[in-house]
Amino acid sequence: DGGITQSPKYLFRKEGQNVTLSCEQNLNHDAMYWYRQDPGQGLRLIYYSQIVNDFQKGDIAEGYSVSREKKESFPLTVTSAQKNPTAFYLCASSIGRWGYNEQFFGPGTRLTVL
Amino acid sequence: QKEVEQDPGPLSVPEGAIVSLNCTYSNSAFQYFMWYRQYSRKGPELLMYTYSSGNKEDGRFTAQVDKSSKYISLFIRDSQPSDSATYLCAMTGTASKLTFGTGTRLQVTL
Repeated sequence: DGGITQSPKYLFRKEGQNVTLSCEQNLNHDAMYWYRQDPGQGLRLIYYSQIVNDFQKGDIAEGYSVSREKKESFPLTVTSAQKNPTAFYLCASSIGRWGYNEQFFGPGTRLTVL
Repeated sequence: QKEVEQDPGPLSVPEGAIVSLNCTYSNSAFQYFMWYRQYSRKGPELLMYTYSSGNKEDGRFTAQVDKSSKYISLFIRDSQPSDSATYLCAMTGTASKLTFGTGTRLQVTL
């Protein structure tokens, strides 16, 4: 089955630790995205990548980093510089680079800082 | 002021009711309008996609776009308990990122 997988489903982090969230897609999509979802705030764009080895900051990139070494993979690292990292993180992909292309979402990772 | 405004709800309706979900926006460059459905603790999935103004129907779902009023709607006919979810509106211009509303939580009761 084609789709997007995210792991882990739940992640717990101690303050001061960096953690990496995995996102893999087998849809052969060029573009991939990371969003953060908080109650009452909808989805906010963290980073996006339109092609391998290239990525751009979204609206709330501070405290996060990404890499895009392979077309199918777009991992997100939440660094200790992110002051309030507890949230639901969603990875998405689309066939084309712009927002009017349908985005397919993964099941999400819930990150909790202890 | 947010670019996209959406009432967070929750909205509770009895089974069989017609549901109306709405979003307003301020950016006149938006041309592509979408509705995503998100079940609890899951990723969103695309429900309806509309370009520019007008109506689009798919089964029990109808999406309306009124660009002159900067207002979009999603109607659900004969609502079912399985429709209980959060509905997110999303919109974009020609060459820009997708902007989401905050989502409206819908509960359809038996």
